[in-house]
Amino acid sequence: DAGVTQSPTHLIKTRGQQVTLRCSPISGHKSVSWYQQVLGQGPQFIFQYYEKEERGRGNFPDRFSARQFPNYSSELNVNALLLGDSALYLCASSLEAARVNQPQHFGDGTRLSIL
Amino acid sequence: DAKTTQPTSMDCAEGRAANLPCNHSTISGNEYVYWYRQIHSQGPQYIIHGLKNNETNEMASLIITEDRKSSTLILPHATLRDTAVYYCIVRVAGSGTYKYIFGTGTRLKVLA
Repeated sequence: DAGVTQSPTHLIKTRGQQVTLRCSPISGHKSVSWYQQVLGQGPQFIFQYYEKEERGRGNFPDRFSARQFPNYSSELNVNALLLGDSALYLCASSLEAARVNQPQHFGDGTRLSIL
Repeated sequence: DAKTTQPTSMDCAEGRAANLPCNHSTISGNEYVYWYRQIHSQGPQYIIHGLKNNETNEMASLIITEDRKSSTLILPHATLRDTAVYYCIVRVAGSGTYKYIFGTGTRLKVLA
């Protein structure tokens, strides 16, 4: 079975631009979460979506937004890009949002570089 | 802030057991401990999770102390391919969802 897939794998943008990252969850998974991983650090939680509704938000500015579609895929949008947004963006899926004993499964991420 | 603390790095000889400790002294009664690993340039890979009983699967064993304030991940026969950053995570509840709060993990190097 296919795991979590993310596209594109790499992306280069310049400051001030906007970017959209895409994620397809594991088949049957209804919850998608987004994480940002800066070089040398652990991933930081950005958003969680379940059944197309936002269920959780991390400490990120309003330049970051996301949505989930009826097929449970998701997009992460970042506006007015800053140099500090350069990172690996990870998507994780799970069956549900509110089951504490269900693991999330991660994709290999999109590496975003801001020039 | 992460709810777990781990050693920054560890070495292990190939074929020996790798024992990775984690402290989670502020864990709440219904919070699970999860372990993931991340090999360079890949996303975190799920290994195992537990609440209070010891757990074992095809990848590893998880030993949780009786007071639940610490745990140990055991890779019984480490191979070079187990070289990775290992994250111990307590899944935090909030408003109908659960999120992971990652720390900086333990960089395990398996030596030939």
